[in-house]
Amino acid sequence: AQSVTQPDIHITVSEGASLELRCNYSYGATPYLFWYVQSPGQGLQLLLKYFSGDTLVQGIKGFEAEFKRSQSSFNLRKPSVHWSDAAEYFCAVGPQGGKLIFGQGTELSVKP
Amino acid sequence: EPEVTQTPSHQVTQMGQEVILRCVPISNHLYFYWYRQILGQKVEFLVSFYNNEISEKSEIFDDQFSVERPDGSNFTLKIRSTKLEDSAMYFCASRAGPPQETQYFGPGTRLLVL
Repeated sequence: AQSVTQPDIHITVSEGASLELRCNYSYGATPYLFWYVQSPGQGLQLLLKYFSGDTLVQGIKGFEAEFKRSQSSFNLRKPSVHWSDAAEYFCAVGPQGGKLIFGQGTELSVKP
Repeated sequence: EPEVTQTPSHQVTQMGQEVILRCVPISNHLYFYWYRQILGQKVEFLVSFYNNEISEKSEIFDDQFSVERPDGSNFTLKIRSTKLEDSAMYFCASRAGPPQETQYFGPGTRLLVL
């Protein structure tokens, strides 16, 4: 079955610390991979995406993610977290142009 | 920067009533989607729409649901007879089409069925 797992429901990091949010997927073919962020009261904003090519992709707001086919993972990273990064982060996978399958989401809190 | 818009932002309705959720996709996009997120649960796909037809729908999208693109700009989701379990955040998304594969989401409509 196709699925996305984000093992961490809630993560708290200190401002300035590094961040890694985990995402594992189960998918029959090589999927298109996305990370979206949702701030309170806001919609889903695209952070970055991977379709093919270089497995390390850069996104907005200083985020990056690495696609590891052997581990079926697409973890999101940021070297230094800012207080404004506090939000909920969703990993999603899907076929070309098709429906997206979302993970449960990881809520990020940032300590001053 | 163009964005997807949705109205209303919040809607409260009585069980059994019909609701219409409205979306204005990004203007040159051709593919349209509805997703929903029940509180505390995953975002779930409902339906995709292209060329005035449903291209894919989930098991959730039963006969109580319908979608329409009534004019060149709006994309609507209708729930004919709402149930308590329809309470959720409903997201509209749009995509330009090949080679652009990214779906851009609106801010959502929070529907509460009493």
